Order: sequence, then structure tokens, then C-alpha cells
Amino acid sequence: EVQLVESGGDFVQPGGSLRLSCAASGFTFSTYSMNWVRQAPGKGLEWLSYISTSSSVYYADSVKGRFTISRDNAKNSLYLQMDSLRDEDTAVYYCARDQLELRLDYWGQGTLVTVSS
Amino acid sequence: EIVLTQSPATLSLSPGERATLSCRASQSVSSYLAWYQQKPGQAPRLLIYDASNRATGIPARFSGSGSGTDFTLTISSLEPEDSAVYYCQQRSNWPMYTFGQGTKLEIK
Repeated sequence: EVQLVESGGDFVQPGGSLRLSCAASGFTFSTYSMNWVRQAPGKGLEWLSYISTSSSVYYADSVKGRFTISRDNAKNSLYLQMDSLRDEDTAVYYCARDQLELRLDYWGQGTLVTVSS
Repeated sequence: EIVLTQSPATLSLSPGERATLSCRASQSVSSYLAWYQQKPGQAPRLLIYDASNRATGIPARFSGSGSGTDFTLTISSLEPEDSAVYYCQQRSNWPMYTFGQGTKLEIK
């Protein structure tokens, strides 16, 4: 069974940093590209970042230069380093598996990040 | 950048009724459109991919159709557990995933 479990969400002040993790199981992690998607309270879904199997990375303009995606295939884990956090980064953050570069076929349960002074 | 527009914003129907949700793309996305269901407090779940293919484990009452710029998600006979927000998604602007703003389906 495919499972994605996020962790690391917390309450942080503006300008602070946080590192999110996503533990993957039930599939060969190294053979899948992965993504981070977030959802602000009461809002829709916003794609943030993508990492390929060869660790090529891409970001949405809203987080470019502030967030860093990475992966550790030996640990079956995906990460999102979040720096210079802003109030508007408050959201539930999901990791999601990329299927054939067209859709997100499995999602974690999400981890809540709250940025506030 | 391709924009996805969903309608209606909210839909309120009774159990057993048929639900029709629309997603319109600002440019053609061929058949590369997916639908997701998100229940309160839960992560999104893939329902339909490539416009008309049901994902693993999705009941047959869910179906998708369309191509180009106009797509439809149909739920043939509503169940109480179908109450959720439904999002469409495309990836023509690789690597960016774009989602519609969602349609909230309420079961009376």
C-alpha cells in the first residue's frame, strides 16, 4: 500500500524557517518524481515544487528563492526547506507522488504550517 | 499560462440525483485533465485521469468526459459520502500543476 506521511509542520514567526519531511512507503520511491502542494485555510490547491528522479527541481514563482525541495532515496524521504516565511505561507502542506508527469496519484495527509507574529 | 475555471461554485443536490460539474480550460489541454475529490479534513484523492479514466478503486458512478477546453465530471447517482470539493487539474505548463478553484458539492 502506497503511503506518504508528512511531518514538521509548526507555528513559526514571519522570517523564520521550517523543514518539512515526507516519508514514503509501499512503492519504489527512487523511481518516482515527487511534488509539494499547499492549501491555505478555506482556499484551493496551489502547486509549489517538483523534483524529478534525477533531482532536477522546479518551483512556483510564489516560493522561488525561499523554498528548497530535496530528496533522499536511501531514506525514502522527500523534504521541503522553507526559509523567509511569510504570513501568506500559512497552509496545509501536502506531498504528492507524480504519475507519468501528468497527475498526482497519491497524497499524504498533510502537515499544517502557521506563520504568525 | 492555462487557467482552469470550474462551475458551478456550489452545487446542492439530493441523494440519488445526478451531479454534473464543469471545468473549462483557457486553452486546449488535449485530454490531459484530471479530477480530484477532497472531503473536509482530508487530502485530495485522484478520481479521474486523462479526462475519462477512473483511478484505482473509484466507484463506477463517477465518470469524466471532454477534450480540448471543456470537461465534465458526472456523478450518476449521488451518495451522502460524495459530499466534497471537486477540483480539476492540468499540467500543460510543465512542470507546474494548475488546479481549478473547485466546486463544492453538498448532499441535502
